[in-house]
Amino acid sequence: AQSVTQLDSHVSVSEGTPVLLRCNYSSSYSPSLFWYVQHPNKGLQLLLKYTSAATLVKGINGFEAEFKKSETSFHLTKPSAHMSDAAEYFCVVSDQDDMRFGAGTRLTVKP
Amino acid sequence: GAVVSQHPSWVICKSGTSVKIECRSLDFQATTMFWYRQFPKQSLMLMATSNEGSKATYEQGVEKDKFLINHASLTLSTLTVTSAHPEDSSFYICSAPVRGGWGTDTQYFGPGTRLTVL
Repeated sequence: AQSVTQLDSHVSVSEGTPVLLRCNYSSSYSPSLFWYVQHPNKGLQLLLKYTSAATLVKGINGFEAEFKKSETSFHLTKPSAHMSDAAEYFCVVSDQDDMRFGAGTRLTVKP
Repeated sequence: GAVVSQHPSWVICKSGTSVKIECRSLDFQATTMFWYRQFPKQSLMLMATSNEGSKATYEQGVEKDKFLINHASLTLSTLTVTSAHPEDSSFYICSAPVRGGWGTDTQYFGPGTRLTVL
């Protein structure tokens, strides 16, 4: 069985400061890991994904995430937050035919 | 927390038949629901936004006549895969938002429906 834990339900940052959204996973196999973003009244949008290639994954909108097997983590970061980054972020682990979503982290960006 | 269910969880059908998948918000009302599709080891793909009492909004490239969506009530949206073919075999997931204050939503996902078309 596999699972995902997003360690913060809500993160608040000021515009221009770094963003860190934490995700830990549990999987018996070599999983694929994803980060999705969802803005209000919108569907999920893929930010980036890890599928056993480079451990540092770069995504859209300046986001990146690092896969650390020893820590079973896949934290999402961005050097400088924009107001438009305010949204809900989901970490997802996928293995073969099974997919597990994290509970989500709401990112608030203050001006 | 809010719960979204899907039924069935797994369905196998013959090519050419139609399959209906239900998405229900069990303890809250949802004027909007989202339908996604996922292939193994692939990312989710948003297929359409289901709107209660009006037509669904489909994403580019999604065939409206192939994937019929009906949002008949505030707690139920259905996705019908018409004349299914093996290439339609996939994992279909719905989600529904719980509206918060100041435009903030919390999205709740269904457990998914695995469709296998023989």
